[in-house]
Amino acid sequence: DIQMTQFPSTLSASVGDRVTITCRASQSINVWLAWYQHKPGKAPKLLIYRASSLESGVPSRFSGRGSGTEFTLTISSLQPDDFATYYCQQYNNFFTFGPGTKVDIK
Amino acid sequence: EVQLVQSGAEVKKPGESLKISCKASGYSFTSYWIGWVRQMPGKGLEWMGIIYPGDSQTRYSPSFQGQVTISVDKSITTAYLQWSSLKASDRAMYYCARSRSYDESDFWSHWGQGTLVTVSS
Repeated sequence: DIQMTQFPSTLSASVGDRVTITCRASQSINVWLAWYQHKPGKAPKLLIYRASSLESGVPSRFSGRGSGTEFTLTISSLQPDDFATYYCQQYNNFFTFGPGTKVDIK
Repeated sequence: EVQLVQSGAEVKKPGESLKISCKASGYSFTSYWIGWVRQMPGKGLEWMGIIYPGDSQTRYSPSFQGQVTISVDKSITTAYLQWSSLKASDRAMYYCARSRSYDESDFWSHWGQGTLVTVSS
């Protein structure tokens, strides 16, 4: 099984901050990685797929990078609507989610 | 517009059976995989299994194999997740999601709103 780790687990930031979340896979997953935003009581929302492709309709302040085993999600200028939990997901071999990174208000 | 609309919250007792649903619309139901995801209270997302409505092929996460059954009814474009005997530990929010393509191992681009299952004696 492919294991996913994410860090930090919690990130306190202010509006306008640049924020980066890291996701690591236990083995190479090429570029088969997605990022989701999840708010309490709502459906998860796809942000990034294939490691760096921005989903249609997602603001350009979100970006993804990486390949192999190490990936990052960056929010270039944090907005009030971005306070949420972010999950990475590998889909190289079925699916595994990372444990999540909660972005809260500093 | 692709929509996945899940059935409402359920309150059940341990040992009872349950079947929750995910009604799909706005696309060719038989051409995309549908997956189920669990979120236990205060925890992260866990993949449970997927089904291809075209021929009802299923794939289960090893963690959930034998614990749940995933099925579809093509005639009403609905996917199901069912338990034969609920446990208190099944208390969670459950989401359905649709794959971006016909590939069984593709990311999920559309999600249902979730169904909260409470299991308590």
